[in-house]
Amino acid sequence: KAGVTQTPRYLIKTRGQQVTLSCSPISGHRSVSWYQQTPGQGLQFLFEYFSETQRNKGNFPGRFSGRQFSNSRSEMNVSTLELGDSALYLCASSSAAYSGNTIYFGEGSWLTVV
Amino acid sequence: SQKIEQNSEALNIQEGKTATLTCNYTNYSPAYLQWYRQDPGRGPVFLLLIRENEKEKRKERLKVTFDTTLKQSLFHITASQPADSATYLCASSNNAGNMLTFGGGTRLMVKP
Repeated sequence: KAGVTQTPRYLIKTRGQQVTLSCSPISGHRSVSWYQQTPGQGLQFLFEYFSETQRNKGNFPGRFSGRQFSNSRSEMNVSTLELGDSALYLCASSSAAYSGNTIYFGEGSWLTVV
Repeated sequence: SQKIEQNSEALNIQEGKTATLTCNYTNYSPAYLQWYRQDPGRGPVFLLLIRENEKEKRKERLKVTFDTTLKQSLFHITASQPADSATYLCASSNNAGNMLTFGGGTRLMVKP
């Protein structure tokens, strides 16, 4: 079965613009999480959605937002982009409502802000 | 504040030897510890999960331990191969959803 799919794979944006990233979880998975990975800060949790509800949120400014649709697909949006937002954004999905089960990651979306 | 750390940024070993990676956590008690492998430019791939009431878990050449007294998890790769070269990440989670807190990762290089 298909894995977690993220689009676009690479993108370049200008400071001040906004960006929307998309994630299609594994079929049947209702939990979708987003992470930001940078060389300096490593992998950091952004937010998690389960059945269209945000359950957990990391320590990121309000410029970072997300949503989940009824088919479990998810999007995250970053507004007013800053240079420091350049990172690999990873989406992960799980079939379980809670931890203790395998979490599958996508290949990520590489965002460069210039 | 809660912290999870991996002691080594990089580890070089000879093919055939056992690689041992360390993960320590402070100021909290995770219900689960997970280990992932990440290759350059790719997303993390799940390897093993261990629960707080489990001492040890094995899968093929991989073994993970969870010591709640030392607040530490050890990840072992026996009979290491050059193909095992990658960054290995430990992550903690509790029962409040699928939120993972990651360590900084250890870059393992297995030399032939």
